[in-house]
Amino acid sequence: GDSVTQMEGPVTLSEEAFLTINCTYTATGYPSLFWYVQYPGEGLQLLLKATKADDKGSNKGFEATYRKETTSFHLEKGSVQVSDSAVYFCALGNTDKLIFGTGTRLQVFP
Amino acid sequence: DGGITQSPKYLFRKEGQNVTLSCEQNLNHDAMYWYRQDPGQGLRLIYYSQIVNDFQKGDIAEGYSVSREKKESFPLTVTSAQKNPTAFYLCASSKGTAYGYTFGSGTRLTVV
Repeated sequence: GDSVTQMEGPVTLSEEAFLTINCTYTATGYPSLFWYVQYPGEGLQLLLKATKADDKGSNKGFEATYRKETTSFHLEKGSVQVSDSAVYFCALGNTDKLIFGTGTRLQVFP
Repeated sequence: DGGITQSPKYLFRKEGQNVTLSCEQNLNHDAMYWYRQDPGQGLRLIYYSQIVNDFQKGDIAEGYSVSREKKESFPLTVTSAQKNPTAFYLCASSKGTAYGYTFGSGTRLTVV
């Protein structure tokens, strides 16, 4: 069946460092791919999405490119801020429900 | 503004009592979902509904029940049969998985 694998955390960075959180997937057909962010005590918010191969989703300085050849959707940001500290979830939409990765906690220190 | 509302934000119950968590959306979405999240863990699907008067079990449905009498509402009942109900519960809605989900802000249930 469909599945999502993302790198385990926590990822610990200094402010202004470059961020990469890896996400790979297994799916039949052509799923949509998503990154969600969860701040402490809150629900998940959609950060960005891509619906077909080679699409690049972007929002708030974060980017991810849908790579069908490597079945990946890695999240990147050029310069992280303390306010980016949160848990990030990669997700795949292919049937009647999203499949989520286990989440990666990002901690950014000043 | 359209959105999805979960209430209450915090809920305390005594062991052995049933409790119902509310989820309401005004996004006109057909599908609604309930997830459970334990500290430091990912999301586990409890129940979901694609249409009014129909719903399906997710991965951890035992000890929970739902109803979908109106498009806007998808309440979750945590019954006394749920062995470890203390958790953070998230409701979501969707107009199709190609568009993703909209999540509520969650209800933190503590059973004492």
